[in-house]
Amino acid sequence: GQSLEQPSEVTAVEGAIVQINCTYQTSGFYGLSWYQQHDGGAPTFLSYNGLDGLEETGRFSSFLSRSDSYGYLLLQELQMKDSASYFCAVIKAAGNKLTFGGGTRVLVKP
Amino acid sequence: EAGVAQSPRYKIIEKRQSVAFWCNPISGHATLYWYQQILGQGPKLLIQFQNNGVVDDSQLPKDRFSAERLKGVDSTLKIQPAKLEDSAVYLCASSIQSGGLGGELFFGEGSRLTVL
Repeated sequence: GQSLEQPSEVTAVEGAIVQINCTYQTSGFYGLSWYQQHDGGAPTFLSYNGLDGLEETGRFSSFLSRSDSYGYLLLQELQMKDSASYFCAVIKAAGNKLTFGGGTRVLVKP
Repeated sequence: EAGVAQSPRYKIIEKRQSVAFWCNPISGHATLYWYQQILGQGPKLLIQFQNNGVVDDSQLPKDRFSAERLKGVDSTLKIQPAKLEDSAVYLCASSIQSGGLGGELFFGEGSRLTVL
């Protein structure tokens, strides 16, 4: 089987930095994606890591360590609009199937 | 570019009734997915199509759920008969290729089902 673990909730203030960790156990790992979902909205793609290292996209960065089966999403210069749920998703080589974690709810306070 | 279209947005039915959801993916996207998202949880893959063939339906409760993608474009997901635990948002997503190009799937707004 496979599993993904991420914290259920994180609270931070505007302007702060938040790191959301994701650990996974799966066979045939191919890559790790991150998605953002506002309440009542659709999940939207944020970033993808296929290789070890850091990927930076504006205020958001994502990191992957294949040897540690671990990744994280870094949210910098937090804004109120960043209050949402964030999901890591493992992509398996077989069929390129995406499996989502349970999500981390980020609450940004003024 | 038009996004993934889903309908209906909301549906309320009683248990043991049937319901169908429709999805129109982004034009040119070969892969289509149906996910079930229960409140407070991550999306769970029900079925994945590559064109009009099924790639993965291992988590689809086949005694009550069915899905088809005729002509490799639109798709419908049906539940018959519905149970209380089927209350969830049903998300349709599409991608250029399986797994998405660089892991990117495009999701529709979802169909929220309430079973009473």
